[in-house]
Amino acid sequence: RKEVEQDPGPFNVPEGATVAFNCTYSNSASQSFFWYRQDCRKEPKLLMSVYSSGNEDGRFTAQLNRASQYISLLIRDSKLSDSATYLCVVNQVGTDKLIFGTGTRLQVFP
Amino acid sequence: DGGITQSPKYLFRKEGQNVTLSCEQNLNHDAMYWYRQDPGQGLRLIYYSQIVNDFQKGDIAEGYSVSREKKESFPLTVTSAQKNPTAFYLCASSAWTPSSGENEQFFGPGTRLTVL
Repeated sequence: RKEVEQDPGPFNVPEGATVAFNCTYSNSASQSFFWYRQDCRKEPKLLMSVYSSGNEDGRFTAQLNRASQYISLLIRDSKLSDSATYLCVVNQVGTDKLIFGTGTRLQVFP
Repeated sequence: DGGITQSPKYLFRKEGQNVTLSCEQNLNHDAMYWYRQDPGQGLRLIYYSQIVNDFQKGDIAEGYSVSREKKESFPLTVTSAQKNPTAFYLCASSAWTPSSGENEQFFGPGTRLTVL
């Protein structure tokens, strides 16, 4: 089993739609969780950290379910500019290293 | 502006040649990392360094070497021993220390290496 698993997609949604991505992780002791966004042929950029209580940043909401070991990202009112690959990232327990999922590709169409 | 720079953006190499990829950061971060990304795949850790003059192998260190003589700089050498070096190489840094525990990593723009 991979340490971090994501549905690769692609998710094709119209502008204005709400879309949700899930990610599962294998190590129950993981403490740090992030969503990164990666545009085509560019570097990953931190979108948001994921906190135990859940957190929201504008149209983006991240949630953590420790019991089921999954993280979610909800995007409301999708924009064309949201088209990108979204990487689920979890820390390797006891280290500073991060484990990256392979990403979920989102394509928003007009 | 604080950030991470990588150069060159595109690099072409003949088989059998060593090449060095540059990574510089002015974020005052102690920890730095090198990853490679292949099409449709996730990032894989090559080497990382938590402090000057110290570095550790990541998951795919064979055929690569690094140095960390200055806090700001973490160059990666792709040697001729690396059998499949064509990839997108990403450098990152973080403010992680054993006491801060800050894991967020910030990436440079990457170097796309092609072996001819």
